[in-house]
Amino acid sequence: AQSVTQLGSHVSVSEGALVLLRCNYSSSVPPYLFWYVQYPNQGLQLLLKYTSAATLVKGINGFEAEFKKSETSFHLTKPSAHMSDAAEYFCAVSDLSSSASKIIFGSGTRLSIRP
Amino acid sequence: GAVVSQHPSWVICKSGTSVKIECRSLDFQATTMFWYRQFPKQSLMLMATSNEGSKATYEQGVEKDKFLINHASLTLSTLTVTSAHPEDSSFYICSAEGQRVDTEAFFGQGTRLTVV
Repeated sequence: AQSVTQLGSHVSVSEGALVLLRCNYSSSVPPYLFWYVQYPNQGLQLLLKYTSAATLVKGINGFEAEFKKSETSFHLTKPSAHMSDAAEYFCAVSDLSSSASKIIFGSGTRLSIRP
Repeated sequence: GAVVSQHPSWVICKSGTSVKIECRSLDFQATTMFWYRQFPKQSLMLMATSNEGSKATYEQGVEKDKFLINHASLTLSTLTVTSAHPEDSSFYICSAEGQRVDTEAFFGQGTRLTVV
């Protein structure tokens, strides 16, 4: 069975500061990992995904994540936070070796940005 | 990226009535669609997986007679909440996946259901 654990339900950083959102995964097969962002009352937007290519994945809006197999982690970072980054962030895991696979979501981390 | 459209974006209904939510893939053929439910300040919980032309596969604990899913075409899946009750109030999100093995799933914008 696959699962993800997001450490910290709420993270608050100052504008311009480093953003670090933590995610650890559990998977019996090589995982596909994702980070999604959700703004209030909206659907999900894919930030980035890891599909067994480069371990450092760059996404949209200046976000990136590094896949570390030894630590079973896939933490999301952004060097400098912007006010528009305030949202809910979900880490997710999937096994895309089949034609249609379920995406299992973490519990989410709400990111707040202080002026 | 591909576009998935959900309709309506929000709906209010009376207890005991049924509500239908549509999920459409606008620019690709979705062989599989997923329906999720999200309670306030919580994560998305997968309700069911539907493949075009076949019965949906429901996750454990999800009542199939309560949440009717139809995936009649490669671009449309519907979720009908039957005999809705206030506890069914939630945010429902669909995602659609195409035919390629490594394709990603694209999410709709969600539907906010409030049962009064």
